[in-house]
Amino acid sequence: DIQMTQSPSTLSASVGDRVTITCRASQSISSYLNWYQQKPGKAPKLLIYGASSLQSGVPSRFSGSGSGTDFTLTISSLQPEDLATYYCQQSYSTPRYTFGQGTKLEIK
Amino acid sequence: QLQLQESGPGLVKPSETLSLTCSVSGGSISSTRYYWGWIRQPPGKGLEWIGTIHYSGSTYYNPSLKSRVTMSVDTSKNQFSLKVSSVTAADRAVYYCARRLPDYDYYAMDVWGQGTTVTVSS
Repeated sequence: DIQMTQSPSTLSASVGDRVTITCRASQSISSYLNWYQQKPGKAPKLLIYGASSLQSGVPSRFSGSGSGTDFTLTISSLQPEDLATYYCQQSYSTPRYTFGQGTKLEIK
Repeated sequence: QLQLQESGPGLVKPSETLSLTCSVSGGSISSTRYYWGWIRQPPGKGLEWIGTIHYSGSTYYNPSLKSRVTMSVDTSKNQFSLKVSSVTAADRAVYYCARRLPDYDYYAMDVWGQGTTVTVSS
């Protein structure tokens, strides 16, 4: 199985900060890396697919980069509504599309 | 606008079979482009991929659950379903259904249901 490891597990930042979350795959997954945002009590929401493509309707302050094994999700200017847990997911290895363990983003 | 809605019993007894249905509205489940999937989330934990199904009946299951999972599709009702047999307390989770995009969109899941909570208890 392909293991996905996110860091940090928890992140506290202030409104306006630039925030970066990393995700590492245990083997190369090309660009088959997606990012989801899950707000408390809600379903996950697709933010970024294919490592760097912004899903329609997602604010442009969100961006993704990387390929192979190392990926990042960046929020350029943190907003209060970005309070959530963020998950990366590899979709390279059918049928087990594994998720990272999540990064909980807190607002200072 | 495409919407997905999970339904099914919120309480299942140990060793019995969990059965959930996902109703699709605002679009057809019979599109050749998409697969339809199930994902679950135990309380306070992360996301686990259960499997996916195409309207043709083609399925892919998580190997760790494969022996207990069955998915099916009912195109006449625009629904797809999940069954998990021999449930234990470890199957307690919020269960989500979602649409899986094609290969050229990196198999991302772009539309999700709101989720349904399943508890396993006698």
